[in-house]
Amino acid sequence: QSALTQPASLSGSPGQSITISCTGTNTDIGSYDYVSWYQQHPGTAPTLIIFDVTHRPSGISHRFSASKSGNTASLTISGLQPEDEADYYCASYTSDSTLVVFGGGTKLTVL
Amino acid sequence: QVHLVESGGDLVQPGRSLRLSCKASGFSFSGYGMHWVRQAPGKGLEWVAMIWYHGNSQYYADSVKGRVAISRDTSKDTLFLDMDDLRVEDTAVYYCVRAGRPSFYFFDRWGQGTLVTVSS
Repeated sequence: QSALTQPASLSGSPGQSITISCTGTNTDIGSYDYVSWYQQHPGTAPTLIIFDVTHRPSGISHRFSASKSGNTASLTISGLQPEDEADYYCASYTSDSTLVVFGGGTKLTVL
Repeated sequence: QVHLVESGGDLVQPGRSLRLSCKASGFSFSGYGMHWVRQAPGKGLEWVAMIWYHGNSQYYADSVKGRVAISRDTSKDTLFLDMDDLRVEDTAVYYCVRAGRPSFYFFDRWGQGTLVTVSS
């Protein structure tokens, strides 16, 4: 069982917006601004799309945005495109014995 | 351009040892922390270990603590993961990952991974 909780799957139509939630506790998301998000297409390595809660690396589309409230972080993808179909993972620093924890991943389908 | 190339993955029997390597290029290796992250077949991502840029501090996931050791050779721009007493549940693709900056707790560049299969 993953330390962070994400919905297993979500779907949306091209042009729509979707939001993926990532729920942790006060030992990770709730207390630290070290939440990151990754996109993974089948058979490839993950790619960083958000770091430190809200920051986008250079080259990442402005359609990806993120936020945090309490123990829950959220990733929003606006203007869904077919290439957004992928698995999405959240991660956070944790003050528990494990340094970093991941969510279980969300499979996004673009219908 | 940042490149991380893992090697060393193999099919091994339970209880055996294995060393993974990751050759880094395209950036100042000595200035970055490094992680290993793994992904079991069809499963999600799991953080495994981290080493600070200076190599003096290491951190491990509870699932591997006491059985693995992360190290680095700055002269060769290479990261290592030594794994002992391998278990079936260690079967996964192991990714070499560069730590982000200024915070070290995100993963800004990933290798393509090397597959470790533990089976009798």
